[in-house]
Amino acid sequence: GAGVSQSPSNKVTEKGKDVELRCDPISGHTALYWYRQSLGQGLEFLIYFQGNSAPDKSGLPSDRFSAERTGGSVSTLTIQRTQQEDSAVYLCASSPRGYEQYFGPGTRLTVT
Amino acid sequence: AQSVTQPDIHITVSEGASLELRCNYSYGATPYLFWYVQSPGQGLQLLLKYFSGDTLVQGIKGFEAEFKRSQSSFNLRKPSVHWSDAAEYFCAVGATGNNRKLIWGLGTSLGVNP
Repeated sequence: GAGVSQSPSNKVTEKGKDVELRCDPISGHTALYWYRQSLGQGLEFLIYFQGNSAPDKSGLPSDRFSAERTGGSVSTLTIQRTQQEDSAVYLCASSPRGYEQYFGPGTRLTVT
Repeated sequence: AQSVTQPDIHITVSEGASLELRCNYSYGATPYLFWYVQSPGQGLQLLLKYFSGDTLVQGIKGFEAEFKRSQSSFNLRKPSVHWSDAAEYFCAVGATGNNRKLIWGLGTSLGVNP
């Protein structure tokens, strides 16, 4: 079946602009995660959605970052007023119950 | 606090040689444990998982891992490495509480010599 998809695969934006990154999880998966991975680094947790529960936003690095998940499916991560330090690969993962995660290919964001 | 340690930042092995990547965790109860692989420019792929039962688990691509409670370890092994196994390997443990997040190690980069 279809895996997790993310769009765009690459995004180049100017400093100060807003960007939206999209994640389409595996159908039926109730949990969805966003991570950030800087060059040569590990995974930095950003936010977690589980069903209809309030999302866990504890990993968002600043109030410029926000995310929503509509209808328990598609999720959008929004970064406002982008900064150069936001340049990274943004990974989305979904899970049927939590814990076991299936990742998308990521969106590479470059802020110039 | 829960933590995951991958002591080796980078390992290089010869093609055909055996491989063991180390993972140690700190956790108060029986953990849920995972190994993921990330090939260059790719997302992460689940190699194998341990929830309960047999402490030796088999995964994809010929990998296996053994949960050793006494050593708080979940080391990944492969008897014969292929050049295509060159990648970044991440170990992760399930966090406590209702929030089903994973705690991630910093990864081990595997190089394979021909």
